[in-house]
Amino acid sequence: AQSVSQHNHHVILSEAASLELGCNYSYGGTVNLFWYVQYPGQHLQLLLKYFSGDPLVKGIKGFEAEFIKSKFSFNLRKPSVQWSDTAEYFCAVNKGNRGSTLGRLYFGRGTQLTVWP
Amino acid sequence: DAGVIQSPRHEVTEMGQEVTLRCKPISGHDYLFWYRQTMMRGLELLIYFNNNVPIDDSGMPEDRFSAKMPNASFSTLKIQPSEPRDSAVYFCASSLRWGEQFFGPGTRLTVL
Repeated sequence: AQSVSQHNHHVILSEAASLELGCNYSYGGTVNLFWYVQYPGQHLQLLLKYFSGDPLVKGIKGFEAEFIKSKFSFNLRKPSVQWSDTAEYFCAVNKGNRGSTLGRLYFGRGTQLTVWP
Repeated sequence: DAGVIQSPRHEVTEMGQEVTLRCKPISGHDYLFWYRQTMMRGLELLIYFNNNVPIDDSGMPEDRFSAKMPNASFSTLKIQPSEPRDSAVYFCASSLRWGEQFFGPGTRLTVL
């Protein structure tokens, strides 16, 4: 079955620390990859996405992610976090442009990031 | 564009009552998704539509839940009868083909 794994359930950092959140998926075909962020009490918002091309993707607010096909991974990074980055982060995958589940996103369980000022 | 619109934003009801959640997707989007989010189970896909047709409803918890999409600009998720364990935030999202999904603000449902 299609699955998306986020290894860290809760990450706690101090401001200015570097961040890396892991994401692995199980599907072997063409994939589109996404990171969403959910600030406290709000809905999910897109942080960045990868469809094709340069595997290093830059998103909003200084976030970036690297697609490593051989490792089925799409880890999220930020060199220096801020208190305002406190939120829950979700990795998501869909199966590109094929299959009966076209359009459906498979979400990881999410990683709660807490940044202390 | 106004984004995905959901109503109501908050709903408090008593066990056994019927609850109807509403969603207006972004104009032109051909996919619509209903999700449920709880602390215990995280984000769950309940059902999704393509061009108003339900594609996969395997995430719908049980027969008490039903969803419709009578036209491209409107969808409902109904729970009848509601139970306390249905308390959650329900999100609607829409997308164009296999692109990114845009989420609505959610409906926070509390069943007493």
